[in-house]
Amino acid sequence: DSGVTQTPKHLITATGQRVTLRCSPRSGDLSVYWYQQSLDQGLQFLIQYYNGEERAKGNILERFSAQQFPDLHSELNLSSLELGDSALYFCASSGQVEGYEQYFGPGTRLTVT
Amino acid sequence: SQQGEEDPQALSIQEGENATMNCSYKTSINNLQWYRQNSGRGLVHLILIRSNEREKHSGRLRVTLDTSKKSSSLLITASRAADTASYFCATDLLGGGADGLTFGKGTHLIIQP
Repeated sequence: DSGVTQTPKHLITATGQRVTLRCSPRSGDLSVYWYQQSLDQGLQFLIQYYNGEERAKGNILERFSAQQFPDLHSELNLSSLELGDSALYFCASSGQVEGYEQYFGPGTRLTVT
Repeated sequence: SQQGEEDPQALSIQEGENATMNCSYKTSINNLQWYRQNSGRGLVHLILIRSNEREKHSGRLRVTLDTSKKSSSLLITASRAADTASYFCATDLLGGGADGLTFGKGTHLIIQP
């Protein structure tokens, strides 16, 4: 158990809909990262937050957004969903801004029908 | 785009044998990490090696890093059935504060009992 929790575990929704994925980092970790894992794209970094502020952006679509709240939990919002958004979404946390190991949550499996 | 590329894509060996996986990357790095993923689950951090290190050990794991060749290898000695998983190398870009990890496509390791 990494100490990172994600909810929900599974999500099935229709095209065009909007969903919110939630992540609670390990106790004391200030950095939160979001990743998408799909068969064709592999593991892709989406976005990083550090202590409530956006720190780095990766391959995140404009339809996706995230935020980190004062209690350090984070949410990833996915809107106008398309079939291609079906994937595993992982949250990870670390205690440092950069350069250290990341601890991954169990993931949320999103299926868009 | 993929920064790290693992080789081989898949590897099947007998329990007790050693398993070696290789990773190549394209740009300068601060550090390189190896992660393990059991089917459909979250990633587990295995080992981190910094750009000024050449070799690192952790239990049955041995990692080497050759920055001149932009490559790394992961050796698992005396493999066990429980080592069956996908293994990913991950790099973070040098400086810039952008610390989302870039993952390769992974090596799927199967340990035959």
